[in-house]
Amino acid sequence: GAVVSQHPSRVICKSGTSVKIECRSLDFQATTMFWYRQFPKQSLMLMATSNEGSKATYEQGVEKDKFLINHASLTLSTLTVTSAHPEDSSFYICSVKGFNEKLFFGSGTQLSVL
Amino acid sequence: GENVEQHPSTLSVQEGDSAVIKCTYSDSASNYFPWYKQELGKGPQLIIDIRSNVGEKKDQRIAVTLNKTAKHFSLHITETQPEDSAVYFCAANVRSNDYKLSFGAGTTVTVRA
Repeated sequence: GAVVSQHPSRVICKSGTSVKIECRSLDFQATTMFWYRQFPKQSLMLMATSNEGSKATYEQGVEKDKFLINHASLTLSTLTVTSAHPEDSSFYICSVKGFNEKLFFGSGTQLSVL
Repeated sequence: GENVEQHPSTLSVQEGDSAVIKCTYSDSASNYFPWYKQELGKGPQLIIDIRSNVGEKKDQRIAVTLNKTAKHFSLHITETQPEDSAVYFCAANVRSNDYKLSFGAGTTVTVRA
């Protein structure tokens, strides 16, 4: 399956600052990547679909100006949480759509906004 | 949209016993059903998947069964070991959402030594 690298694994920031999370597909050229959000002891919530070379598509209720996604190459997608606030604190996970629809996840980023 | 229901939410088993997790889905067009294992602080790991053209798939101690008529699928773990302790998520693809995956709520499995 696809090997997905996500960085950083943990980030603490002050309210009002922006945070960038990187997701790399190490062994597969990914035209499609996904970004999920997960609150403690809850399931995965799809935030947006990242499409290489085009605009991301966002799920209903997800603010596109708040969560900026860039997928400039077949191996890298980034998620920027702009003007972060404490309610944005969460576990963010990216995934790569590999062969035969299989989804492979990164290791996740724990964001804590103070 | 697709509603994937997963039961039980928690499961405690004695080491060596079997664990079974069940999921139901609502979209009759769903044709791909993966299972993920997530350890604390990590991303989910794909452990097994099944497509709608087969009824059962096995990989060592893990097996998945699918009943398309009843729209339910199950994960079976035999001879459980402490390292099987984790949160398990089922998922199904959803035609109305471009066949993206919809996840169940998760099952926390604890294997008692």
